[in-house]
Amino acid sequence: GAVVSQHPSWVICKSGTSVKIECRSLDFQATTMFWYRQFPKQSLMLMATSNEGSKATYEQGVEKDKFLINHASLTLSTLTVTSAHPEDSSFYICSAGGFMNTEAFFGQGTRLTVV
Amino acid sequence: AQSVTQLGSHVSVSEGALVLLRCNYSSSVPPYLFWYVQYPNQGLQLLLKYTTGATLVKGINGFEAEFKKSETSFHLTKPSAHMSDAAEYFCAVSPFTGANSKLTFGKGITLSVRP
Repeated sequence: GAVVSQHPSWVICKSGTSVKIECRSLDFQATTMFWYRQFPKQSLMLMATSNEGSKATYEQGVEKDKFLINHASLTLSTLTVTSAHPEDSSFYICSAGGFMNTEAFFGQGTRLTVV
Repeated sequence: AQSVTQLGSHVSVSEGALVLLRCNYSSSVPPYLFWYVQYPNQGLQLLLKYTTGATLVKGINGFEAEFKKSETSFHLTKPSAHMSDAAEYFCAVSPFTGANSKLTFGKGITLSVRP
């Protein structure tokens, strides 16, 4: 089956620093990747949609300069949280899908803690 | 616009008992409906999905769901709960099928299974 790998699984960073999260499709070409944010005991909120080779489309209310998304290849998308603050602490999940897929597949998520 | 309502935040059942997790949706177009399961600190795994055709959908791990257009519902059931079913369950809706389709999630329901 289709496998999406997210790295790291968890990360702790200092306030003011930047952190990069990777989302890789291991056995298929992902033309579209989605980035979600999940607060404790809450649902997933879509942050942005990225298509390979083009700029990401951000949902309303998501700061594009703070959450930088790059989808430079068909197997890798990255989310960089810039100048992180404690309120950015959350669980970030990506999903990916390609032309041959009937649905997107989810990564295992990244727990970000900003101290 | 689309939305999903999952009433209640927590369901507790005894092992071997029927599992029923409710999901109602709102959609201005024919919906595509999904149920996902999430274990702690992990991504989402697709349980089942409804696209077109048969309204009773069977998924993995013995789960099934029935699409009822007249009731705008897509409730998830399992005849006999197992301890390993304890997890968070999300219902989601999309305006079209395919890997590049945006999902709108409900807030999720925590399922506990008592020995």
